[in-house]
Amino acid sequence: GDSVTQMEGPVTLSEEAFLTINCTYTATGYPSLFWYVQYPGEGLQLLLKATKADDKGSNKGFEATYRKETTSFHLEKGSVQVSDSAVYFCALTSNTGNQFYFGTGTSLTVIP
Amino acid sequence: NAGVTQTPKFQVLKTGQSMTLQCAQDMNHEYMSWYRQDPGMGLRLIHYSVGAGITDQGEVPNGYNVSRSTTEDFPLRLLSAAPSQTSVYFCASSYRGGIEPLHFGNGTRLTVT
Repeated sequence: GDSVTQMEGPVTLSEEAFLTINCTYTATGYPSLFWYVQYPGEGLQLLLKATKADDKGSNKGFEATYRKETTSFHLEKGSVQVSDSAVYFCALTSNTGNQFYFGTGTSLTVIP
Repeated sequence: NAGVTQTPKFQVLKTGQSMTLQCAQDMNHEYMSWYRQDPGMGLRLIHYSVGAGITDQGEVPNGYNVSRSTTEDFPLRLLSAAPSQTSVYFCASSYRGGIEPLHFGNGTRLTVT
């Protein structure tokens, strides 16, 4: 079945450090891939998405590229800020179905 | 511009009690869904609906019922609460399902003692 594997956290970085959160997936068909972010006490919010191979999703300085050959969708940011502290979830959905599959989440803490 | 509204925010139940978690959206979304979030497990789909009158099971449906009588509302019912249902529950919706991104409510934290 479809699934998402995400690097375990927690991750602690200093402000302005480079961020990578790894995500790989298993899916039948041609999935769309997403990164969601969850701030404390809130629901998940869409951060970025990519709907086909080689697409790059980007938002708020975050980027992820849909790599079909490595079945990956790693999240990157060149210079993190304290306000980026949150839990990040990788997710996929197939265009043939109506179910999203989420990774286990990676907690990021950015210290000044 | 309310988006997805969940009530209550917190709830404590005793084993065997029943309750309904409410979810309403004002975006005219056809697709609605319920997830539970548990530590180390991520989000797991309980039930979903692709339109009024249509519901289907997700990954972990046991112990939960849903109905969709209107486009706006998608309540989740726990018929006989168990400690294993202690979790944070999220309702999410999208315009048509499929690859459309989900819009989430702020969650309901449920504790079953």
